[in-house]
Amino acid sequence: EPEVTQTPSHQVTQMGQEVILRCVPISNHLYFYWYRQILGQKVEFLVSFYNNEISEKSEIFDDQFSVERPDGSNFTLKIRSTKLEDSAMYFCATNRVFQETQYFGPGTRLLVL
Amino acid sequence: AQTVTQSQPEMSVQEAETVTLSCTYDTSENNYYLFWYKQPPSRQMILVIRQEAYKQQNATENRFSVNFQKAAKSFSLKISDSQLGDTAMYFCAFMKQGGTGNQFYFGTGTSLTVIP
Repeated sequence: EPEVTQTPSHQVTQMGQEVILRCVPISNHLYFYWYRQILGQKVEFLVSFYNNEISEKSEIFDDQFSVERPDGSNFTLKIRSTKLEDSAMYFCATNRVFQETQYFGPGTRLLVL
Repeated sequence: AQTVTQSQPEMSVQEAETVTLSCTYDTSENNYYLFWYKQPPSRQMILVIRQEAYKQQNATENRFSVNFQKAAKSFSLKISDSQLGDTAMYFCAFMKQGGTGNQFYFGTGTSLTVIP
C-alpha cells in the first residue's frame, strides 16, 4: 500500500540555522499539509498546499516558514532561521481530491539546540 | 473556531476487554467529518475510523466503532476485544466540510495501554 514518506527521520540543528524537511506524497494525491507536534502537546496544523500554492495557513506559519514543491514530487517545509521553540515532530499529510481522509507520514523529529 | 477535547490522557485495558475513549468537540458548523487516528510508538498516524456528520448511523470498522452524538457534540471510540497491538496514542480529529484541503483540528490524545 502506498505511503507518505518523510526525510530525514531526525534532524539536529543549531539555533538560527535553516532546515528543510522533505515529504514524498502518495502519487495521486494533490493536497499536501504540514503539521507539527511539540512533545507532549497536540498535533497542530501549519499549512495546506494545493496546485502549487498555499491554501490555508495557521498563525504558527509565519515568515520563517515556507513550503514548495520544487520538482513535482517532493513537498518541502523550510524553516529559515530556527528557534528553540521549533523543536517538534513535523508531520506531512496528503490526500486525493474529493477525499477527506488525510494520510500521514512517519514524521521528522527536529531538535534545535 | 473549532476545538476538540479528549479528557482522558491515559487509559488502560486488559487484553480481550472493551474500552471506550472519549472525544467532544465544539463547532458552529453543521456539516463536518470526524476521525480517530492511532499513533503507535513508531509514530506514524494511521486512520482508525471516520464519521460523516450527516450520517446518523455510527461508523464501524471491525473491532472499532464510534458513538456519534451530534447534538451533544460527542464522538467516542469503542475498541472491542482489545489486542496488544492496539497500544498507542489515539487522536480524535475534526474537519469542516467544504471540499478537501481543509485542516484537521486534533485533540490532545489518549494514551491507551493494553495489558496482557
